[in-house]
Amino acid sequence: AQSVAQPEDQVNVAEGNPLTVKCTYSVSGNPYLFWYVQYPNRGLQFLLKYITGDNLVKGSYGFEAEFNKSQTSFHLKKPSALVSDSALYFCAVRDEGFQKLVFGTGTRLLVSP
Amino acid sequence: DTAVSQTPKYLVTQMGNDKSIKCEQNLGHDTMYWYKQDSKKFLKIMFSYNNKELIINETVPNRFSPKSPDKAHLNLHINSLELGDSAVYFCASSPRGLGGTEAFFGQGTRLTVV
Repeated sequence: AQSVAQPEDQVNVAEGNPLTVKCTYSVSGNPYLFWYVQYPNRGLQFLLKYITGDNLVKGSYGFEAEFNKSQTSFHLKKPSALVSDSALYFCAVRDEGFQKLVFGTGTRLLVSP
Repeated sequence: DTAVSQTPKYLVTQMGNDKSIKCEQNLGHDTMYWYKQDSKKFLKIMFSYNNKELIINETVPNRFSPKSPDKAHLNLHINSLELGDSAVYFCASSPRGLGGTEAFFGQGTRLTVV
């Protein structure tokens, strides 16, 4: 069965510093990996995805993520955090053989001025 | 031009009532989903339809019944509402059979059962 783990409930970072939000996954086949962001009282917005190819993928708002097959990880990163990046971030995985998109438990990112 | 739209955005109702949430997508996608986000923000899939056909039905009480009149619509009907049904319900859509494509989400419907 597919599963996703986000080990941190919350990540705190100062504005201008780099940020990392961690995600590990488990699938039986090749993974399709996604990051979504949820702002308060809003729906989920797609940030980026890994399907195949380069392990470093770039997405919206300056975010990027690194796929590491040996560590089954897909950590979200940004070189310089903004206060406006404060939100709830979800990692998700879909097994290539299935339609179901499984989400992690979410990590709240708090960027302080 | 909203891609995935849900109505209503907020729904407050009493226990025992029956209510429906509507979802429409104008992206031409074949697959639509309902997700439930609980008070701890956990997101869990409930149902998925491919071109009006049910393909995913997670362990959900049979008080919840999805209905897809056409591939652009997936409505969620809930009978005999309970306090534990209070949550935010998200509709989403994606192209069929393309596992690498992202799902697009609606803004959510916050259901409060009192």
